[in-house]
Amino acid sequence: KAGVTQTPRYLIKTRGQQVTLSCSPISGHRSVSWYQQTPGQGLQFLFEYFSETQRNKGNFPGRFSGRQFSNSRSEMNVSTLELGDSALYLCASSRGVEGAAGNTIYFGEGSWLTVV
Amino acid sequence: AQSVAQPEDQVNVAEGNPLTVKCTYSVSGNPYLFWYVQYPNRGLQFLLKYITGDNLVKGSYGFEAEFNKSQTSFHLKKPSALVSDSALYFCAVRDEVTGGGNKLTFGTGTQLKVEL
Repeated sequence: KAGVTQTPRYLIKTRGQQVTLSCSPISGHRSVSWYQQTPGQGLQFLFEYFSETQRNKGNFPGRFSGRQFSNSRSEMNVSTLELGDSALYLCASSRGVEGAAGNTIYFGEGSWLTVV
Repeated sequence: AQSVAQPEDQVNVAEGNPLTVKCTYSVSGNPYLFWYVQYPNRGLQFLLKYITGDNLVKGSYGFEAEFNKSQTSFHLKKPSALVSDSALYFCAVRDEVTGGGNKLTFGTGTQLKVEL
């Protein structure tokens, strides 16, 4: 069974531009969450989507947004890029059934974003 | 708020020796604890999780973890380390009170180095 798939794997953007990252969860998984990983801040939660609705949100500015489609695929968008947005962006998926907090969360290989 | 602490930035161990990577946690509800491993330029790979039940949890690649409620710890162990185990290890917690959401709070990571 295919794992969590993220595209693109690597990208370089200029300050002020915007970027869209894509994530396809494991088949049957309805919860998709996004994390930012940087050397200085470590792994930080961005947001989570379940059945096309944002269920949790981390402490990031409004430039960071996301959405989920009816097939559970998700995209995240960062507008007006800053140098500090350079990071590995990880997508994770889970069955996400309400009350089943023990569901395993699986991660993709990530999208490496460099802002110059 | 939930939190995870990994007190060691790096752990060095000789191949064939047992290894331990430490993790302590703080949650307001029942703890759901996870260990992930990250190889260079890769995403996070799930190793094991504690939900409830036996305090000794067995996972992938010969790893296991011991849950200790009184010490609020969830240390990762392996009886005999391999050079190929060298990687970055993350402990994470999901608090039950998040209402079914899949937000993980991660520790800062521990770099494991296994030498011949």
